[in-house]
Amino acid sequence: DSGVTQTPKHLITATGQRVTLRCSPRSGDLSVYWYQQSLDQGLQFLIQYYNGEERAKGNILERFSAQQFPDLHSELNLSSLELGDSALYFCASSALDRTTDTQYFGPGTRLTVL
Amino acid sequence: GNSVTQMEGPVTLSEEAFLTINCTYTATGYPSLFWYVQYPGEGLQLLLKATKADDKGSNKGFEATYRKETTSFHLEKGSVQVSDSAVYFCALRPYNNNDMRFGAGTRLTVKP
Repeated sequence: DSGVTQTPKHLITATGQRVTLRCSPRSGDLSVYWYQQSLDQGLQFLIQYYNGEERAKGNILERFSAQQFPDLHSELNLSSLELGDSALYFCASSALDRTTDTQYFGPGTRLTVL
Repeated sequence: GNSVTQMEGPVTLSEEAFLTINCTYTATGYPSLFWYVQYPGEGLQLLLKATKADDKGSNKGFEATYRKETTSFHLEKGSVQVSDSAVYFCALRPYNNNDMRFGAGTRLTVKP
């Protein structure tokens, strides 16, 4: 158990809808990262927040957004969903913002868009 | 740009066999290098890491050495067990940002 929790575990929705995925980092960790894992694209970094502020952006679509709240939990919002958004979405956390920090991954949320 | 290329799988070995999973990278500067393992239905777990050239990461009998001259970070284990069956990901984190790049993953199956 990494100490990172994600809810829900599974999510099934329809095209055009909007969903919110939630992540609670390990106790004391200030950085939260979001990743998408799909069969065709592999594991891709989406976005990072550090202590409430956006710190780095990867291959995140404009339809997707995230935020980190004062209690350090984070939410990833996916809107105007398409079939191709079906994937496993992982959250990870690390203590600080250094590139050498270990990231601890949550169990993931499996999103299915029908 | 920054990228990771790892050996395509799947890899099937008998118990107690020697394991090598190749990983090479392209990056500017000195990235940090990682091996993660993903068991079925679970998230990624850090297996080992190395943050500078010639560092050796090791954990649970697995080892990998950061080779700057060959831009490689190959994963090795001397004697695999059935419980090592999983997908292994090589990853790099650039020295100047947090855009982590992962390889495609290598599925390892160890048979008794």
